[in-house]
Amino acid sequence: QSALTQPASVSGSPGQSIAISCTGTSSDVGGYNYVSWYQQYPGKAPKLIIFHVNQRPSGVSDRFSGSKSGNTASLTISGLQAGDEAEYYCTSHTGGGAYVFGTGTKVTV
Amino acid sequence: QVQLVQSGAEVKNPGASVKLSCKASGYIFTNHYMHWVRQAPGQGLEWMGVINSGGRGNTAYAQRFQGRFTMTRDMSATTVYMELTSLTSEDTAVYYCTRDSPSGWMAVDYWGQGTLVTVSS
Repeated sequence: QSALTQPASVSGSPGQSIAISCTGTSSDVGGYNYVSWYQQYPGKAPKLIIFHVNQRPSGVSDRFSGSKSGNTASLTISGLQAGDEAEYYCTSHTGGGAYVFGTGTKVTV
Repeated sequence: QVQLVQSGAEVKNPGASVKLSCKASGYIFTNHYMHWVRQAPGQGLEWMGVINSGGRGNTAYAQRFQGRFTMTRDMSATTVYMELTSLTSEDTAVYYCTRDSPSGWMAVDYWGQGTLVTVSS
């Protein structure tokens, strides 16, 4: 199972909106509504920000939103803030109880 | 409060095996699936496997680790374990034990502190 494809980096100015794509196949992203997104700061454990494609855990800002079209999932960060500067990873179910992470995207504000 | 406390750092020679533990507390252990995720230095996250902490302890592993990776759990000790054999330098990484939330399907809500495994001769 190959890693899902994410852009290596995305940048934006404070207040802008950015989108991070996560491209897989019909065997993972396209086949299941089980895409999650994680935010990771350097030296820290990741934090869940989106699950089941577009659900936000309690306590996560509504500036984060998720969607999916075909084999590509997307994370949108609106009202970009300096504190959003981090690495972002998607993950998807691949069938048979297995999962795969994306390659990761560094967000620069 | 939910806690996942992992065993300490390990240094192993190539070809050796490593077994890590993850002691869970603060919740009903058998109600949650547990995943192991690793991260090599300066690299991305890599999913390794999942275990049902209750029931029959069913597991699923990433294909690339099939045959040299095993997850087990001890319900009485509320602890999950992972063992990785035939280590190479490419297995040098921080290994995280994680808890799937009640929503499930890799919606991980808690992470252990991570265990650094270094493989070097």
